[in-house]
Amino acid sequence: DIVMTQTPLSLSVTPGQPASISCKSSQSLLYTDGKTYLSWYLHKPGQAPQLLIYEVSNRFSGVPDRFSGGGSGTDFTLKISRVEAEDVGVYYCMQSIELYTFGQGTKLEIK
Amino acid sequence: QVQLQESGPGLVKPSQTLSLTCMISGGSISGGGYYWSWIRQHPGTGLEWIGYIFDTGNTHYNPSLQSRLTFTLDRSKNQFSLKLSSVTAADTAVYFCARGSYRSSLVPFDLWGRGTLVTVSS
Repeated sequence: DIVMTQTPLSLSVTPGQPASISCKSSQSLLYTDGKTYLSWYLHKPGQAPQLLIYEVSNRFSGVPDRFSGGGSGTDFTLKISRVEAEDVGVYYCMQSIELYTFGQGTKLEIK
Repeated sequence: QVQLQESGPGLVKPSQTLSLTCMISGGSISGGGYYWSWIRQHPGTGLEWIGYIFDTGNTHYNPSLQSRLTFTLDRSKNQFSLKLSSVTAADTAVYFCARGSYRSSLVPFDLWGRGTLVTVSS
């Protein structure tokens, strides 16, 4: 099984400041089709989880451009350029090259 | 706006079968180019993919749960369902249904339900 490891597990950020979450996979997520199957999700309290980013850096429809994803191979990052109060929740990375496995989650709080 | 809503009993006895349904509103389960998944979250831990069913009816299950799982799709009711047999306390979790897309590109889990808590206890 591919293991996904996120750091940090919690983050406290002042509104307007940037935030960054790291995700490492136990093996490369680059598939033979040239695509890398790494996604990011946000689970806000009391809401359905939502897709933010797929294939490392593709922002899903309706996701604000302050969210960006990057990385390659086994190392990936989600960045929020300027955190807003509505960004609180738990962020998960997920690999989909070999079935699906998620990271442990990173809880983002507002200072 | 397409929405997903999970439903089912909140309490199941050990050794019994857990049955959940995901109702799709605002869209069709037979729209083509989608696959329908179940994902769960054990208390205080991360997310675990359970399996998916394509709009064709083909299924793919998590190997760790495969022997106990059955997914079905009901086009007339616009819903899909999960049955997990021989449950134990380890199956206590919040269960989410989710949609994936393979239309223009492969987009995993682009839509989720809010989840439903299932507790396995006598």
